[in-house]
Amino acid sequence: EAGVAQSPRYKIIEKRQSVAFWCNPISGHATLYWYQQILGQGPKLLIQFQNNGVVDDSQLPKDRFSAERLKGVDSTLKIQPAKLEDSAVYLCASSFGLGDEQYFGPGTRLTVT
Amino acid sequence: SQKIEQNSEALNIQEGKTATLTCNYTNYSPAYLQWYRQDPGRGPVFLLLIRENEKEKRKERLKVTFDTTLKQSLFHITASQPADSATYLCAHESSASKIIFGSGTRLSIRP
Repeated sequence: EAGVAQSPRYKIIEKRQSVAFWCNPISGHATLYWYQQILGQGPKLLIQFQNNGVVDDSQLPKDRFSAERLKGVDSTLKIQPAKLEDSAVYLCASSFGLGDEQYFGPGTRLTVT
Repeated sequence: SQKIEQNSEALNIQEGKTATLTCNYTNYSPAYLQWYRQDPGRGPVFLLLIRENEKEKRKERLKVTFDTTLKQSLFHITASQPADSATYLCAHESSASKIIFGSGTRLSIRP
C-alpha cells in the first residue's frame, strides 16, 4: 500500500515569510497527526485530527500556525509569519484510529533564515 | 506534567550482543507504550506496541517489557547487527489522549 506522502521535502524561507506543507495520509486512516521535530529531540505533537475534526491542538502556536484537514483526507499545515525557531522537520503521520500504530511520512525539513 | 524519558546518551554495542534501551514515564499510567525506529532523514517507523496488561511482547529479535510498578518499558534487540543502528523512540498516549514521544536513544552497533 502507498505510504504517507508529504511535500515539499525541503523548504528554505526567510523569517516573517509564510510557508505551507501538505500531507496525504494512507487511504482509510481516520487519524492524522502533525509533529514538529527539532534536531536531537523526539517528535512533538502539534495537532491531531480524527476525520476532519480536531482532537488535540494544545501545542499548536495558534498565533502563527494553522492546520486543516480537507474532507477528512489531505491536510495542510501553514506557518505565517515564520520565526527562526520554527526551523525543524515537520512530520505527518496517520493511523487507522486513535491509539493505533502510526505511519509517518518522510517529513519536510524547514530552514528559516 | 506527564513526561516520558529516554537515555539521551548514545548506546554503543558490539555486534551480536543484546542492546537494551530504557523508557521511563512519570505522573501518569499509560494504557500502552509504542516503540519506533528512526533513521537519519526519515520519519519514524513503528516497531511494537505493548499494553499495560501485557508484561512482554516479542517480534523476531525484538522484545519489549512493560513494568507498571517501575513505570518503565525496556526494549531489547538480541543478536544485534550494524543494520540495527538507528535512533529508537518510545511514545505513549497521555490522559488527555495526546501522543507524547521521548527524545530517543541513538544506538550504534559496531562490527
